[in-house]
Amino acid sequence: DTVLTQSPALAVSPGERVSISCRASEGVNSYMHWYQQKPGQQPKLLIYKASNLASGVPARFSGSGSGTDFTLTIDPVEADDTATYFCQQSWNDPYTFGAGTKLELK
Amino acid sequence: QVQLKESGPGLVQPSQTLSLTCTVSGFSLTSYNVHWVRQPPGKGLEWMGRMRYNGDTSYNSALKSRLSISRDTSKNQVFLKMNSLQTDDTGTYYCTRDLGTGSGFAYWGQGTLVTVSS
Repeated sequence: DTVLTQSPALAVSPGERVSISCRASEGVNSYMHWYQQKPGQQPKLLIYKASNLASGVPARFSGSGSGTDFTLTIDPVEADDTATYFCQQSWNDPYTFGAGTKLELK
Repeated sequence: QVQLKESGPGLVQPSQTLSLTCTVSGFSLTSYNVHWVRQPPGKGLEWMGRMRYNGDTSYNSALKSRLSISRDTSKNQVFLKMNSLQTDDTGTYYCTRDLGTGSGFAYWGQGTLVTVSS
């Protein structure tokens, strides 16, 4: 299975820029997607196919990368962005998710 | 608008079979893929399998021997059945729809919590 590795946690101040990384154990082309999940809620799609902003998602969120290395960037970070962020690939079966990066605001 | 809603028992005994239903509206099951994703309490997400728009299914190899996904297009429903449940199958089970094959999961149900316990 394709393993997706994310850093477990990050802490940033409001107004700053933050980059969340996701590394795949094998190539996934551009078939990487990013989700935001807040406690007690279902995940919300932010970015699909590496760099495409999902409908209704603020332009503060952006994605980049291809192959094995991908990045979700939030600029500027707002207080409401406190959440866990997951990457997910859909190039190889089975689809897999990263373990999530918990974003905290200072 | 697009909606998905999971339903099923909240409590299942160990070794028994879990049966969940995902009822969808706002789109056709013959046009989009529906997936099942689960999340143990306080942990990450696991893709379980999918019902493709054309009726084909695909399963996570870790669950394949226990899992079955089917549908009834006339009722706009997708079904999940998983047997031999154990305590580590406890978690929230979501059905979700992608934007198109290979794209992200744009629409999610609210999830249903399944507890495996005697």
